[in-house]
Amino acid sequence: GAGVSQSPSNKVTEKGKDVELRCDPISGHTALYWYRQSLGQGLEFLIYFQGNSAPDKSGLPSDRFSAERTGGSVSTLTIQRTQQEDSAVYLCASSLAGQGNNSPLHFGNGTRLTVT
Amino acid sequence: GDSVTQMEGPVTLSEEAFLTINCTYTATGYPSLFWYVQYPGEGLQLLLKATKADDKGSNKGFEATYRKETTSFHLEKGSVQVSDSAVYFCARNSGNTPLVFGKGTRLSVIA
Repeated sequence: GAGVSQSPSNKVTEKGKDVELRCDPISGHTALYWYRQSLGQGLEFLIYFQGNSAPDKSGLPSDRFSAERTGGSVSTLTIQRTQQEDSAVYLCASSLAGQGNNSPLHFGNGTRLTVT
Repeated sequence: GDSVTQMEGPVTLSEEAFLTINCTYTATGYPSLFWYVQYPGEGLQLLLKATKADDKGSNKGFEATYRKETTSFHLEKGSVQVSDSAVYFCARNSGNTPLVFGKGTRLSVIA
């Protein structure tokens, strides 16, 4: 079946502009995660959605970052007033159940964001 | 806080060589431990996992044993192939916390 789909695959934007990154999780997966992968760094957790519960936003690096998940499916990560340090690969993952169940995460191929 | 430390790469090996990628974790709670792999041009995917002490996860010839006494989860393979070239990530979670990843180790296997 279809995996996690992210769009766009690449995004180049000018400093100060806003960007929206989209994630389509695997159908039926209740949990959705956003991570950021910077050069030389590991995967940095950003935000987690589980069903209808309030999202865990503890990893968002600043108030310029926000995310929503509509209808328990598609998610959008928005970065306002982008900065050069926001340049990274943004990864979305979904899983069948929540964090406490050790369900494997299924990752998309990511969106490579470059802020010039 | 929770963290994972894995050996820095890149690692370059000849085909059929023995592979070890070290991983240690902070001992907070009773974490489950994972290895994820990212092949060129693909998304991360679960390679193997272990959910309690002394468990051994295995897949595709790779193995890792959950060692509570040394807080380690080293990845091993007896004979690597060119197709194993990828970036390998060690990860942990505990209870209801997000999965915490190491920085990744790039493996290149040459024929």
